Amino acid sequence: GNSVTQMEGPVTLSEEAFLTINCTYTATGYPSLFWYVQYPGEGLQLLLKATKADDKGSNKGFEATYRKETTSFHLEKGSVQVSDSAVYFCALSKAGTGGGNKLTFGTGTQLKVEL
Amino acid sequence: DTGVSQDPRHKITKRGQNVTFRCDPISEHNRLYWYRQTLGQGPEFLTYFQNEAQLEKSRLLSDRFSAERPKGSFSTLEIQRTEQGDSAMYLCASSLVTAGLYNEQFFGPGTRLTVL
Repeated sequence: GNSVTQMEGPVTLSEEAFLTINCTYTATGYPSLFWYVQYPGEGLQLLLKATKADDKGSNKGFEATYRKETTSFHLEKGSVQVSDSAVYFCALSKAGTGGGNKLTFGTGTQLKVEL
Repeated sequence: DTGVSQDPRHKITKRGQNVTFRCDPISEHNRLYWYRQTLGQGPEFLTYFQNEAQLEKSRLLSDRFSAERPKGSFSTLEIQRTEQGDSAMYLCASSLVTAGLYNEQFFGPGTRLTVL
């Protein structure tokens, strides 16, 4: 079945540091890939998405590129801020249906950014 | 507020009791999902509805669990004879499914269940 593996946290960075959170997936066909973020006390929010190979999703300075050859969707940000502290989840959905079908999530990576 | 809402936000119950959670999706959304999230894990899919029809159920959804969406609007998730292993955050999400377009799922804040 489908599965998502992401790097374990917590990840602690200083403000303005470069962020990478690794995510790899196992799926049949061509799934759509997502990063969700969960800020303290809030619900999950979609951060960015990519629906086909080589697509780059981007939002709020975060980027991730859909790499089919390595089955990866690593999250990056060039300069993190304290306000980026949250839990980040990599997820995929059934091939061909965008976000309209069930999501399979990774275990989440907690990011803490310090001054 | 036009987001997904869930009620209650917290529920503490004793083992063996029944509990019911409610989810109100974004009003025009035709698809509604339930997920369960345990501590330190990502959300796991439980079931989803297209309007009032329940189209898929996960193997995680034992016979003690039942979900309904009677008029294609709000949904309820009931757990009968709760067990300590049912302690988790129960998340609801909704989306508007239109042919050929990407459909983002919007999540509610969740209901945290603690079974003593």
